[in-house]
Amino acid sequence: DGGITQSPKYLFRKEGQNVTLSCEQNLNHDAMYWYRQDPGQGLRLIYYSQIVNDFQKGDIAEGYSVSREKKESFPLTVTSAQKNPTAFYLCASSILTSGVSNTGELFFGEGSRLTVL
Amino acid sequence: GENVEQHPSTLSVQEGDSAVIKCTYSDSASNYFPWYKQELGKGPQLIIDIRSNVGEKKDQRIAVTLNKTAKHFSLHITETQPEDSAVYFCAANPYSSASKIIFGSGTRLSIRP
Repeated sequence: DGGITQSPKYLFRKEGQNVTLSCEQNLNHDAMYWYRQDPGQGLRLIYYSQIVNDFQKGDIAEGYSVSREKKESFPLTVTSAQKNPTAFYLCASSILTSGVSNTGELFFGEGSRLTVL
Repeated sequence: GENVEQHPSTLSVQEGDSAVIKCTYSDSASNYFPWYKQELGKGPQLIIDIRSNVGEKKDQRIAVTLNKTAKHFSLHITETQPEDSAVYFCAANPYSSASKIIFGSGTRLSIRP
């Protein structure tokens, strides 16, 4: 089945540790995204990538890093610099075309819940 | 930049009744308004969307209306069923670019049996 796979589903981290969340897609989408979800705050964009080896900061990039070495993969590292990392993290992908015919529909993975102990 | 406000934050309706969720947006350049449904423990999934050149769109029990002048749009669910229980997010984005999409804060809908 085509889709987006995130792992792990649950992750616990001690303060001061970096942790990497995996995101893989087999939809052949050019664009990939990382969102953070906190209760009552909707989805906030952390980073996005429209092409291999290139990515841009979203609204809340501080304390996070990403890489895009392959079209299918877009891992997110939550570094020790992120002051409040406990959250639900969602990866998404979309077709990347311009023009009125493209809706920019996002296809989401099932998320990774990170808890800092 | 764009700002999307969503109300209410929680909504409880009797099974079979209708549910309405409302959103307002600030950027008049926004021209695409999707609605996503997030079931417990899952990622959001697109359920319906509307473009700025359309006032209303229906898909079986769900419908979305858009008032461009007032900059607000609404999701209507009729004949609600238990499987409609979820968190619903409205969103707005200009230029049909997913990287510009701004989400509302979400509405947790509960359907009472």
